[in-house]
Amino acid sequence: DSGVTQTPKHLITATGQRVTLRCSPRSGDLSVYWYQQSLDQGLQFLIQYYNGEERAKGNILERFSAQQFPDLHSELNLSSLELGDSALYFCASSTSPGADATNEKLFFGSGTQLSVL
Amino acid sequence: DAKTTQPPSMDCAEGRAANLPCNHSTISGNEYVYWYRQIHSQGPQYIIHGLKNNETNEMASLIITEDRKSSTLILPHATLRDTAVYYCIVRVPHNYGQNFVFGPGTRLSVLP
Repeated sequence: DSGVTQTPKHLITATGQRVTLRCSPRSGDLSVYWYQQSLDQGLQFLIQYYNGEERAKGNILERFSAQQFPDLHSELNLSSLELGDSALYFCASSTSPGADATNEKLFFGSGTQLSVL
Repeated sequence: DAKTTQPPSMDCAEGRAANLPCNHSTISGNEYVYWYRQIHSQGPQYIIHGLKNNETNEMASLIITEDRKSSTLILPHATLRDTAVYYCIVRVPHNYGQNFVFGPGTRLSVLP
């Protein structure tokens, strides 16, 4: 158990809908990362937050957004869903904030499997 | 894009050492090499990381060449439970944070 909690584990929805994925980081971790894993794309970095602020942005679509709340949990919002958004979405947390983080390690949750029908 | 290249698959006999290679020829001086593994569709699991010195922990050893253009992950006594996809990652500073860029990885099969 990594200590990172993601809910829900499975989500089935229809095209055009909007969903919210939730992540609770490990106790004491200030940084949260979101990744998308689909069969043909592998693990794709979406976005990173540190202590409530966006720190790095990857290949995140404009239909997707995220935020990190004062209690450090994070939510990933996916809207106008398309069939191609079906994937595993992982959240990871770490303690270190930025570019000089010597011993930063990511701890991953067990993921949310999103199926768009 | 990932800054690493790995063989797509490897086999290893149970009880033998598994040596997984990784090339990262464009790595910069302050970029760390990380190894993670993913068993089935579970969340990736941290194994080890290093900058330029060889590292060892309870799971594995990491050997980084002197020019830092390649590295090798060593699982000293592979077991069936080590069957997984192994990712070699270069952690890249990105905006004001970090970007752990995952490539396709190496699918390691430990055979009985």
